[in-house]
Amino acid sequence: EPEVTQTPSHQVTQMGQEVILRCVPISNHLYFYWYRQILGQKVEFLVSFYNNEISEKSEIFDDQFSVERPDGSNFTLKIRSTKLEDSAMYFCASSRDRGYQPQHFGDGTRLSIL
Amino acid sequence: SQQGEEDPQALSIQEGENATMNCSYKTSINNLQWYRQNSGRGLVHLILIRSNEREKHSGRLRVTLDTSKKSSSLLITASRAADTASYFCATDDDTDKLIFGTGTRLQVFP
Repeated sequence: EPEVTQTPSHQVTQMGQEVILRCVPISNHLYFYWYRQILGQKVEFLVSFYNNEISEKSEIFDDQFSVERPDGSNFTLKIRSTKLEDSAMYFCASSRDRGYQPQHFGDGTRLSIL
Repeated sequence: SQQGEEDPQALSIQEGENATMNCSYKTSINNLQWYRQNSGRGLVHLILIRSNEREKHSGRLRVTLDTSKKSSSLLITASRAADTASYFCATDDDTDKLIFGTGTRLQVFP
């Protein structure tokens, strides 16, 4: 069964550094998402992406964050200048459509900011 | 309570028993989805129920939805040790985002 794959599985970065998290969504999916889960807390929506542009973003997704689909397969989340509070598990998801279609999640990237 | 609150927060049962988890939400929804998360892993989609549906089955899973009470339940029948995980409801209000609940940690003892 097709899967969403994320790399790396664990990223350790110094505060203030830039980090790029990578995702390969399921190939025939058209909608892409990033969520994050701070340890012990809820999964929180960050951003959705469709047709090469952001379709919705949360308050968390400020100017430090950006997303890109640089080619036909990868979907990236960039954090420009990381803060300690960015430490979390970041999940990429994709769906074939929106509405009545489930979102399929990757295994996540654990981001640790030192 | 916030959108997507599950109860109980934790549930421990023996193999073979049924497990029931409940979810409440506040706003109107397009559909409601249940996900499972094994420790340190991603979210696995279990079942989606539309707002105009009242009950749905998938294998050992049974989901109900009561839009008048803004609540849903997930029943896992004949539980197995492999069902040990956290279970989350997530609501879709016809925007692009899913709003997740706080989750129920299920422990199934062999």
